[in-house]
Amino acid sequence: AQSVTQPDIHITVSEGASLELRCNYSYGATPYLFWYVQSPGQGLQLLLKYFSGDTLVQGIKGFEAEFKRSQSSFNLRKPSVHWSDAAEYFCAVGEVRDDKIIFGKGTRLHILP
Amino acid sequence: EAGVVQSPRYKIIEKKQPVAFWCNPISGHNTLYWYLQNLGQGPELLIRYENEEAVDDSQLPKDRFSAERLKGVDSTLKIQPAELGDSAVYLCASSLGSSGRAVSYNEQFFGPGTRLTVL
Repeated sequence: AQSVTQPDIHITVSEGASLELRCNYSYGATPYLFWYVQSPGQGLQLLLKYFSGDTLVQGIKGFEAEFKRSQSSFNLRKPSVHWSDAAEYFCAVGEVRDDKIIFGKGTRLHILP
Repeated sequence: EAGVVQSPRYKIIEKKQPVAFWCNPISGHNTLYWYLQNLGQGPELLIRYENEEAVDDSQLPKDRFSAERLKGVDSTLKIQPAELGDSAVYLCASSLGSSGRAVSYNEQFFGPGTRLTVL
């Protein structure tokens, strides 16, 4: 069965510092992978997705993620965070065939001024 | 263009009372999803509609939860009776439709959710 593990419940970084959020997945075939962001009181917004091809995926708001099959990982990165990046981030794995996606438990990002 | 609209945004009820949530998807989106998001967890699918047909309701607790999408546009999710453990955020999402092929993906767009508190 598909599953997603986000090992960090909370992450705190200083504004301007680099960021990496970890995500590990379990899936029997080539996975379809996603990162979503959820700001307080807002719905989830898709940051980026990986289906195939280049393992380094660029997304919105300056985020990128790298798919590493050997490590079953899809970590999210940003070179310099802004205070507005404080939010909850969800990694997800999906079945494109029926648009069904399974979410991880999320990582809450805190930004220090 | 308006996004996915949900109402109410917040609801407080006493246990054993009924409650209903409403969702209006993005215009033209055939697929509609209801998710449950417990505190500190990721969203979990409750039910998925393709037009007016519920194509995946395997995770919907049918003893107390029901949903409908009568005209294939907006949808209502109901809980009757509500229990303390139902306190959560209920998210609605929509997409253009299941592609049926493993080569494309229809992005799901999420509404802001309804936060339910059962006392």
